[in-house]
Amino acid sequence: SQQGEEDPQALSIQEGENATMNCSYKTSINNLQWYRQNSGRGLVHLILIRSNEREKHSGRLRVTLDTSKKSSSLLITASRAADTASYFCATDIRASGGGADGLTFGKGTHLIIQP
Amino acid sequence: SAVISQKPSRDICQRGTSLTIQCQVDSQVTMMFWYRQQPGQSLTLIATANQGSEATYESGFVIDKFPISRPNLTFSTLTVSNMSPEDSSIYLCSVGASSMNTGELFFGEGSRLTVL
Repeated sequence: SQQGEEDPQALSIQEGENATMNCSYKTSINNLQWYRQNSGRGLVHLILIRSNEREKHSGRLRVTLDTSKKSSSLLITASRAADTASYFCATDIRASGGGADGLTFGKGTHLIIQP
Repeated sequence: SAVISQKPSRDICQRGTSLTIQCQVDSQVTMMFWYRQQPGQSLTLIATANQGSEATYESGFVIDKFPISRPNLTFSTLTVSNMSPEDSSIYLCSVGASSMNTGELFFGEGSRLTVL
């Protein structure tokens, strides 16, 4: 079953505005990551936030993590047309920290930036 | 970072046939994963490709349907066997950035399969 659930499923905003996407998950995690996917292509890693962190910045990206609510948000400031893509949150499947396990991805938010 | 090449990038296949997807990485990596992304959906982990041993499959995926090879630390193949239209998906190879399981993943561009 999916670990992460993003909302909204789709978001359309004007260029220059800020875009906020949310992710909720169900079980304990070691970290949470955000990825971007451009139209049916491979995913690109954006940012990783560890379970003991509350906020992290990278360029125009700001990620928050609230482990008590099992939720995270991704904020893209000053959006650009090139930010149009699908955004996925991902968590480690098994939080034991051992072994070579993959990630569980949420359903994603499709972001459209209108020029 | 790692550069991942997948072949084929896309293919149209007939029902009942099998197709093998190749994944080549430009450096040796410990962890290699295969994901499936059905149309309009998120990614689902199929299996972890282990070098020198059988792949570890996730619930709902079996070796007979998705045999995987991992002959060395830079290469893996995923075969989609006896295909049906429900197998139409993008199949993505990914590798871990480090030996820890909680690191970021690098992805290939994916192989888009359409089964008629």
